Amino acid sequence: DTAVSQTPKYLVTQMGNDKSIKCEQNLGHDTMYWYKQDSKKFLKIMFSYNNKELIINETVPNRFSPKSPDKAHLNLHINSLELGDSAVYFCASSQPTSGSDTQYFGPGTRLTVL
Amino acid sequence: AQKITQTQPGMFVQEKEAVTLDCTYDTSDPSYGLFWYKQPSSGEMIFLIYQGSYDQQNATEGRYSLNFQKARKSANLVISASQLGDSAMYFCAMRDRLEYGNKLVFGAGTILRVKS
Repeated sequence: DTAVSQTPKYLVTQMGNDKSIKCEQNLGHDTMYWYKQDSKKFLKIMFSYNNKELIINETVPNRFSPKSPDKAHLNLHINSLELGDSAVYFCASSQPTSGSDTQYFGPGTRLTVL
Repeated sequence: AQKITQTQPGMFVQEKEAVTLDCTYDTSDPSYGLFWYKQPSSGEMIFLIYQGSYDQQNATEGRYSLNFQKARKSANLVISASQLGDSAMYFCAMRDRLEYGNKLVFGAGTILRVKS
């Protein structure tokens, strides 16, 4: 009964390919996020959507395109993958009206670009 | 800009003892939130505890407590009665309020190793 799920868990691909990561949350939250964790374990936000609308876009290359078909899903499509895109990508969700707006994370997707 | 500093790259603690993980922050926003997350070797990010800037009491969740010292801008995580399963990376994070939404700003993390 996973709250925030991501697929796939691991993704290994060649430079130049296009790939997608899917995220779903069953918490009924209005807001979803994508974070990137680099090789030094540093976590940084990439995007945030509230009720299917993009609200945060943190200077991410436009090869990265998020899509939210509904408020329970937020997918991340990456075009023309580069070596530097290798990282762990986390999806998260929160309910901004909850006071704390605590973000709950998915299990992460480890992307390796060869 | 908001900033989170975790000065301890790594810590060791003996099983059953208490340990404090340090976190200092900087913000000009009077309304902020501070979070701690645990990342075990399996990789997931687990929410542990939350402290709001206006909360009068320090937050506690089971064996986790937050030593919140507002004047010193510190929000240290205290884990009591450490267990082997507490070995993990711990991240302190702050909620950064933007025009249309919030994001989390993370510290660099502290690796905790519990010795038996």
